[in-house]
Amino acid sequence: DGGITQSPKYLFRKEGQNVTLSCEQNLNHDAMYWYRQDPGQGLRLIYYSQIVNDFQKGDIAEGYSVSREKKESFPLTVTSAQKNPTAFYLCASSATGTGNQPQHFGDGTRLSIL
Amino acid sequence: QKEVEQNSGPLSVPEGAIASLNCTYSDRGSQSFFWYRQYSGKSPELIMFIYSNGDKEDGRFTAQLNKASQYVSLLIRDSQPSDSATYLCAVNIRYSGNTPLVFGKGTRLSVIA
Repeated sequence: DGGITQSPKYLFRKEGQNVTLSCEQNLNHDAMYWYRQDPGQGLRLIYYSQIVNDFQKGDIAEGYSVSREKKESFPLTVTSAQKNPTAFYLCASSATGTGNQPQHFGDGTRLSIL
Repeated sequence: QKEVEQNSGPLSVPEGAIASLNCTYSDRGSQSFFWYRQYSGKSPELIMFIYSNGDKEDGRFTAQLNKASQYVSLLIRDSQPSDSATYLCAVNIRYSGNTPLVFGKGTRLSVIA
C-alpha cells in the first residue's frame, strides 16, 4: 500500500536528550513536511523540503533539525534545545511543493518528556 | 489579517441536519482549496478538494468556492455522529513566506444523536 509511515507511534524523551522521529513515504512525492500540533491547537509548520538535499525552516524551527538525503525519507530530530517538546508530530507529503496538490499525512508520533 | 480563517466552534448540529463549515482566505489569487477531517487523537485525512468556482459534490459532502468573496465552504448533508471531528481548511497562499499551502486552525463539529 502506498502511504506515509511514521515511527515510533509513542516516544519519550529524557532531559538533555536528542530524539529522532522517522518519516518514510512510498508515494514518490517530491515535497515533505513536519508539523507540530498541541492539544486543541492547529498545525504549526516546523520544516519542509521540496526536493532532495534541500529544506526550509517553517514557523517554529528552533530546537529542531531535519535532513533530506533520500526522496522517501525526512527524519526530524528534536534536540535538547527544544524546551517544550511534548506534542503530536505529524509528517506529510505532497506530489509537488507548489501548494496546488494536497498534502497527505502519516499517523503521527506522540512525544512526551519523562 | 490571518491568511486562512475558520470559526473554531464547536458547531453543534442534530443528527440528520446539514452542517455548514466556512473558511475565508486572504490571497485573491489562491487557486487550490482542500478540506481535511481530523478525529480526536488522529491525523488529518483529505476529504475534498476544489479548484473552480461553484459547487463540487462527493457523496454527502459538498465543497463550495466563491473566489470573488474569498471563501470556501464545506456542507455535510444528513450529518451523522461519526462526522463529529475537527475540519481543517487548507488554501494555497502564493505570498506565504513558508510552504504555499496554509492550514486554518479548524472548526470542531459535534453531531448530536
